[in-house]
Amino acid sequence: DAGVIQSPRHEVTEMGQEVTLRCKPISGHDYLFWYRQTMMRGLELLIYFNNNVPIDDSGMPEDRFSAKMPNASFSTLKIQPSEPRDSAVYFCASRLLSGNTIYFGEGSWLTVV
Amino acid sequence: GNSVTQMEGPVTLSEEAFLTINCTYTATGYPSLFWYVQYPGEGLQLLLKATKADDKGSNKGFEATYRKETTSFHLEKGSVQVSDSAVYFCALSDPSSGSARQLTFGSGTQLTVLP
Repeated sequence: DAGVIQSPRHEVTEMGQEVTLRCKPISGHDYLFWYRQTMMRGLELLIYFNNNVPIDDSGMPEDRFSAKMPNASFSTLKIQPSEPRDSAVYFCASRLLSGNTIYFGEGSWLTVV
Repeated sequence: GNSVTQMEGPVTLSEEAFLTINCTYTATGYPSLFWYVQYPGEGLQLLLKATKADDKGSNKGFEATYRKETTSFHLEKGSVQVSDSAVYFCALSDPSSGSARQLTFGSGTQLTVLP
């Protein structure tokens, strides 16, 4: 089975530009999570969805960040406008309702210059 | 709230040395415990897990035992290899936090194994 698939793997963009990160969860999984990894703050949960519905977005840092899940097989995390402090690795992850293991994608490595 | 405290890194060992990475946790319920590994330039991979007290998770020569009395889940390996060089994350999933059981991570421990 394919794992969690993220794109792009690497993105370098200029401050002020819009960034869209994409995720395809493991087929059949009920939960989708977006995490951010930085040296200063480690791994932080940004938002998670259950059956495509956003449940908890309390980790989203500010209004410049938004996430959507239009269907069970696709989610986006958008940053508009981007700032240098948004530079980080963004991980998407998914889990079955009945399982206790969260599976991660390989991450999107974002650099904002 | 929930929290995970990991041994500060970085840790540098010679090949075939014994490895211990300490992890302790605080949780309001009865969590499941995990170790994830991140190799350079890659994502997080599940290394092992334990879902109840006294369970031992094991994989690729790594082991960790869920100790409820000491709220710990220390990672061990008897003989490390250069290929084990990576960042190791301890994490918990607390069902009392809701059905999502999202993960709370420790800060990660960088391991470097020298030939």
